[in-house]
Amino acid sequence: EPEVTQTPSHQVTQMGQEVILRCVPISNHLYFYWYRQILGQKVEFLVSFYNNEISEKSEIFDDQFSVERPDGSNFTLKIRSTKLEDSAMYFCASRISGYTGELFFGEGSRLTVL
Amino acid sequence: GESVGLHLPTLSVQEGDNSIINCAYSNSASDYFIWYKQESGKGPQFIIDIRSNMDKRQGQRVTVLLNKTVKHLSLQIAATQPGDSAVYFCAENLAGGTSYGKLTFGQGTILTVHP
Repeated sequence: EPEVTQTPSHQVTQMGQEVILRCVPISNHLYFYWYRQILGQKVEFLVSFYNNEISEKSEIFDDQFSVERPDGSNFTLKIRSTKLEDSAMYFCASRISGYTGELFFGEGSRLTVL
Repeated sequence: GESVGLHLPTLSVQEGDNSIINCAYSNSASDYFIWYKQESGKGPQFIIDIRSNMDKRQGQRVTVLLNKTVKHLSLQIAATQPGDSAVYFCAENLAGGTSYGKLTFGQGTILTVHP
């Protein structure tokens, strides 16, 4: 069964460092998303991406965040200068085009900022 | 400092019982609703969905009920098994355009199934 894959599974970084989280969405999917989940809290929408541009972003997704689809398979989330409060599980998701909101989530990348 | 998480509602059932998990959603303009299961350390896993033009949808061992009048969603799991133990989230999706896939998740319910 096709799946969304994410790397790394866990990253520890120092405050102020740049972090790139990588995702390989399901191959025939056209819409891509990043969500995050702070420990013990709700899953929160960060950004959606379609046709090589951001479709929507939340208020969490400030100038420190960026997304990119550098090639035909990868979808990345970059945090330029990490803060302690960026510590969370980051989930990539994708969906096939069409009238469906069903998202397929990856296993997540846990980011710990020290 | 230490972050304080939400105190999630919990539901404990015996194996073989039926489980009902409830969710109140927030936006009357939402037209698509999904239930996700999240096991420890994993991403949300799709269980079942329902559109706002329906009030009931059944899957394998699961049924979702939607009451738009009171903005309430429920998930019924028949013959609950220990493998069903997880956190269950409802999610709503606002209608139209680029908003599909922009889900608003509920706070979650911890389901524990005892053998």
